[in-house]
Amino acid sequence: DVKVTQSSRYLVKRTGEKVFLECVQDMDHENMFWYRQDPGLGLRLIYFSYDVKMKEKGDIPEGYSVSREKKERFSLILESASTNQTSMYLCASRSGSLETQYFGPGTRLLVL
Amino acid sequence: GEDVEQSLFLSVREGDSSVINCTYTDSSSTYLYWYKQEPGAGLQLLTYIFSNMDMKQDQRLTVLLNKKDKHLSLRIADTQTGDSAIYFCAESIRGSQGNLIFGKGTKLSVKP
Repeated sequence: DVKVTQSSRYLVKRTGEKVFLECVQDMDHENMFWYRQDPGLGLRLIYFSYDVKMKEKGDIPEGYSVSREKKERFSLILESASTNQTSMYLCASRSGSLETQYFGPGTRLLVL
Repeated sequence: GEDVEQSLFLSVREGDSSVINCTYTDSSSTYLYWYKQEPGAGLQLLTYIFSNMDMKQDQRLTVLLNKKDKHLSLRIADTQTGDSAIYFCAESIRGSQGNLIFGKGTKLSVKP
């Protein structure tokens, strides 16, 4: 079974703090993704990576950056958290030879 | 651009069949997916269908694809209270580096 884990289920941070969200997959997948999910807006792609040290902007990259130093780990960084980044963050991974994305359990972030 | 549309809510009685509908706009879809999200959790892949298929059945789940009308449906037979969740339709576009386009999700409520 594919396993995608996220470092925290819930996080509370203050405005201006630097926030790291970690995602790890154990299936040697090439592609990894970060989404945020908000009521009424569905899932929106923030960034994705198709290989180590490679990254591509998704639909809403502003205010975020990412890091992929190892194949199994994809980090999402909020350089200076703001209240409008309060959201559910979902990580996913996908093998290069398959189309299906597998999701982690999500991190619910509250920025005060 | 690509778009995936779903109705936001569906309510059924336990034991009835549920049908969740989805329309998409891009005719170059390779795979179409149904994901399930239970409260507070990540997305779980339920089933998928390759774009050259019309139907796929997996136990209580039946997926129908009408390529001409760009319409996808998920039928859940004998719906149970444990089926209450948000169901997302998604399409994979050829040449998109594995990115999926998600609908906003249909919240299925199952009444006893």
